[in-house]
Amino acid sequence: AIRMTQSPSSLSASTGDRVTITCRASQGISSYLAWYQQKPGKAPKLLIYAASTLQSGVPSRFSGSGSGTDFTLTISCLQSEDFATYYCQQYYSYPPKTFGQGTKVEIK
Amino acid sequence: QVQLVESGGGLVKPGGSLRLSCAASGFTFSDYYMSWIRQAPGKGLEWVSYISSSGSTIYYADSVKGRFTISRDNAKNSLYLQMNSLRAEDTAVYYCAREYSGYEDYWGQGTLVTVSS
Repeated sequence: AIRMTQSPSSLSASTGDRVTITCRASQGISSYLAWYQQKPGKAPKLLIYAASTLQSGVPSRFSGSGSGTDFTLTISCLQSEDFATYYCQQYYSYPPKTFGQGTKVEIK
Repeated sequence: QVQLVESGGGLVKPGGSLRLSCAASGFTFSDYYMSWIRQAPGKGLEWVSYISSSGSTIYYADSVKGRFTISRDNAKNSLYLQMNSLRAEDTAVYYCAREYSGYEDYWGQGTLVTVSS
């Protein structure tokens, strides 16, 4: 199975900050990577697919980049509603589909 | 709008069984692959199973293979997960999700399964 490793596991940031989360795959996955946002008690929500394509309705302050094994999710100007946990997922080779362990973005 | 509503969760003893359901609406259910994904309390996301649009292709995570069975009824716009021989480590919120080109684009609100004596 392809292993997905996110860093950091958590971070503290302030509203207006630029935030970057990294996801690394244990082998090349081309651009078959998705990013999800999850708020406490809620279902995950798709933010980005194909590594860099924004899902309809997702604010443009979210962006994704990378291919192969290294990927990033960037929030250009953190808003209060962005405090959540973020997960990456590979869908290059499955089963199984695999997720990163998550990155919790907390208020500083 | 796309809606996925899970039901059937609850408290069950180790070794017991439970059947989860997911009612889909707002899209042509029979056109889409569907997935079950779970999340243990305070933990990350774990993919469990998926089923092709016709039901002819099915995959399971190794952790549930031989114990869980995924199925669907396209006439009823419904997805199911039959869970047998349940273990404490199966305790989680179970989400059904619509698969689109490999990733999951819509998720239900989840149903909690607790395995405890």
